[in-house]
Amino acid sequence: GQQLNQSPQSMFIQEGEDVSMNCTSSSIFNTWLWYKQDPGEGPVLLIALYKAGELTSNGRLTAQFGITRKDSFLNISASIPSDVGIYFCAGSQGAQKLVFGQGTRLTINP
Amino acid sequence: GAGVSQSPSNKVTEKGKDVELRCDPISGHTALYWYRQSLGQGLEFLIYFQGNSAPDKSGLPSDRFSAERTGGSVSTLTIQRTQQEDSAVYLCASSSGTVVSPLHFGNGTRLTVT
Repeated sequence: GQQLNQSPQSMFIQEGEDVSMNCTSSSIFNTWLWYKQDPGEGPVLLIALYKAGELTSNGRLTAQFGITRKDSFLNISASIPSDVGIYFCAGSQGAQKLVFGQGTRLTINP
Repeated sequence: GAGVSQSPSNKVTEKGKDVELRCDPISGHTALYWYRQSLGQGLEFLIYFQGNSAPDKSGLPSDRFSAERTGGSVSTLTIQRTQQEDSAVYLCASSSGTVVSPLHFGNGTRLTVT
């Protein structure tokens, strides 16, 4: 079935460093979304991308919808302790069913 | 309420017992989803309801799993004859139902089958 390959699976960084993670697929997606999940909670939407090539920022977060519509990346600049969590990419092919990546677990050393 | 509400937050059950998990979506949201998250894994799609349309059940892993949505609002996910591999966090999400509307998730029900 549909599958999103998200990398890296985990990251260990120092506070203040920039972070980059990405998601790729063999299929075309019409919408890309990035979510963050804190322990014990459900995922929360960070950024939504609706057009190929779109680059969108939300504070220190920046995400891009790949021009081929088969990939997306998320960057976090100047990381802070509250950025710790699991980040998921998700894609939609026009229907409402979202396919999720396996997640990137971010750990920050103060 | 302001967000998606799920109950119970935790459920421990013995192998072979049936369990029911409940989801209250955001008021006015026509679309409702169930996902399963195993430890350290991504989100696995289970089932999707949209308005009065027939649900998309393509993600249900076996016939022990079923879900219903009464009156277009509250949903119940039922797992019959639970197995240890059913242990996971079950997440419910709702959306306004348009093609590009994001999902809003509840905090999930952590199911442990002993």
